[in-house]
Amino acid sequence: VQLVQSGTEVKKPGDSLKISCKGSGFSFTTYWIGWVRQMPGKGLELMGIIYPYDSDARYNPSFQGQVTISADKSINTAYLQWSSLKASDTGIYYCARILTFGGLIEYWGQGTLVTVSS
Amino acid sequence: NFMLTQPHSVSESPGKTVTISCTGNSGSIASNYVQWYQQRPGSAPTTVISENNQRPSGVPDRFSGSIDTSSNSASLTISGLKTEDEADYYCQSFADNSWVFGGGTKLTVL
Repeated sequence: VQLVQSGTEVKKPGDSLKISCKGSGFSFTTYWIGWVRQMPGKGLELMGIIYPYDSDARYNPSFQGQVTISADKSINTAYLQWSSLKASDTGIYYCARILTFGGLIEYWGQGTLVTVSS
Repeated sequence: NFMLTQPHSVSESPGKTVTISCTGNSGSIASNYVQWYQQRPGSAPTTVISENNQRPSGVPDRFSGSIDTSSNSASLTISGLKTEDEADYYCQSFADNSWVFGGGTKLTVL
């Protein structure tokens, strides 16, 4: 099982961004894939999850409307997207394979560092 | 809102046993499974305990998890401490339609 994420991003406030997570070694359409934020020096926050089979996306309340989670099952890839970045979006974003709806994370991606600065 | 509270830091000597607590502020911690994740400096997290007390393949049996309904808390116990266990540890569960992580505990092995 591998989750390989896209590379480091440096953006300006107001920019849009879409980062990716490509899964391999497992049936991508039959597991939830989640995104976890870690702000600098802070803890982990599960932003939301998606079921690639039917693109059913669920968000943690604090992230609803702030980001969009999507997936393209034809290429085993999940995405996390912002339409207008803020400096407070700076952090490391991990994708994860989730076994249960309760958030049991089995495998983690390597993380994508996003820096938003003017 | 459901929250999980962990001690900010703990420290113990090599070879000893340490227990990290994770206390729920409402409801019953037994209502949903608790997971524990280890994050070494500069690395992605890894899962050390799933579903309250299950060890994923490859996790040494020095790691164990438990639930105490009387204190509404979960615990991660690491025995025979090694310097490689020095890391941040996070508990995680699901309640009130939210996925919740504890704030994390920094374990120092010295």
